[in-house]
Amino acid sequence: NAGVTQTPKFRILKIGQSMTLQCTQDMNHNYMYWYRQDPGMGLKLIYYSVGAGITDKGEVPNGYNVSRSTTEDFPLRLELAAPSQTSVYFCASIGLVHNEQFFGPGTRLTVL
Amino acid sequence: SQKIEQNSEALNIQEGKTATLTCNYTNYSPAYLQWYRQDPGRGPVFLLLIRENEKEKRKERLKVTFDTTLKQSLFHITASQPADSATYLCALDRATDSWGKLQFGAGTQVVVTP
Repeated sequence: NAGVTQTPKFRILKIGQSMTLQCTQDMNHNYMYWYRQDPGMGLKLIYYSVGAGITDKGEVPNGYNVSRSTTEDFPLRLELAAPSQTSVYFCASIGLVHNEQFFGPGTRLTVL
Repeated sequence: SQKIEQNSEALNIQEGKTATLTCNYTNYSPAYLQWYRQDPGRGPVFLLLIRENEKEKRKERLKVTFDTTLKQSLFHITASQPADSATYLCALDRATDSWGKLQFGAGTQVVVTP
């Protein structure tokens, strides 16, 4: 199993541009999450999904959108990039037997 | 809202000694408390989970305690090795409307020197 994969690894955006951060897991997990991590801060939950077709906001959802059309994929969309969205983004999934979260390698995004 | 505090200063420790990290929280008691390891440029990796009705959990050289009265968890690495050098994150799960919505502390960096 590849686990949780994320693309791209790095990206530089200009203010106002849009992009989609991709996240895929091959563990057949229903629950998936998007977090952002700023320097010296804890990870903050952006959005989460409990299954295909079901998404909900986390702690810091403003400026982001998500969709969940399949169990495997959970893309995160930035519509109008702002410097405040400069961060490292992590996708994670969780199985139903154990509560541990499996994290992807992250996407480092810089908005200039 | 919940506030989670971990030592912001790095913990420098000699190989073979025990490293002890603290995680303090305010407000509600979580249903689960988890500890993760994060290496530079990588995603967090799960280490241990402890439930609110458990006092202690062990896994190899790792031990976690959970005191809901003090609102504190302690994370111990015994017989520390240079390979244990990393940042350690604690995360709380309230598990109310939906579990898995973790709230993280900022983490404590551990540096183990030979």
